[in-house]
Amino acid sequence: QKEVEQNSGPLSVPEGAIASLNCTYSDRGSQSFFWYRQYSGKSPELIMFIYSNGDKEDGRFTAQLNKASQYVSLLIRDSQPSDSATYLCAVHQAGTALIFGKGTTLSVSS
Amino acid sequence: DTEVTQTPKHLVMGMTNKKSLKCEQHMGHRAMYWYKQKAKKPPELMFVYSYEKLSINESVPSRFSPECPNSSLLNLHLHALQPEDSALYLCASINRANTEAFFGQGTRLTVV
Repeated sequence: QKEVEQNSGPLSVPEGAIASLNCTYSDRGSQSFFWYRQYSGKSPELIMFIYSNGDKEDGRFTAQLNKASQYVSLLIRDSQPSDSATYLCAVHQAGTALIFGKGTTLSVSS
Repeated sequence: DTEVTQTPKHLVMGMTNKKSLKCEQHMGHRAMYWYKQKAKKPPELMFVYSYEKLSINESVPSRFSPECPNSSLLNLHLHALQPEDSALYLCASINRANTEAFFGQGTRLTVV
């Protein structure tokens, strides 16, 4: 059974701080890794995609991938109250679909 | 254009009704998915169409019937649903390189 694990939280950080969200996966054949943000009652919104080991930065967001440890993370710098949402880690393996973790709820307090 | 369009946004149906959900994308993506999401749960995969062929069916009850008329369009036909089928139904598509995957806005389905 392919699994994607996330700490469900809630993760609480003050405004302006760095939020660190983590995800591990069980299938070493996984090739693509996605982070989505989902507000309550809305659909998932793609934030970041990564497939190579190392860091990938986009604005305030940095995704980190370590395939040897089967670990992918998302850092949110200068967190804002509008970042309060559920963050979903999704893993894709060729021939299958996006498999999601349970999501981490982030709360940013002003 | 990075848009996946789902219609309708909201749907209320009785247990004897037949209805359809529609999903459309014009990004040339090669695979399209149907997911079901209950409150405070992650999206749960239902069906995968790859190059217009059904490639994955996650043991979904036959009251849900998918259809892919062409590479841009995906339908989900609903018949004789149960109240526990009430959920947010999400359509997504992914490109050939598996580097971008977008969701539609979803259809909020209520079965009464």
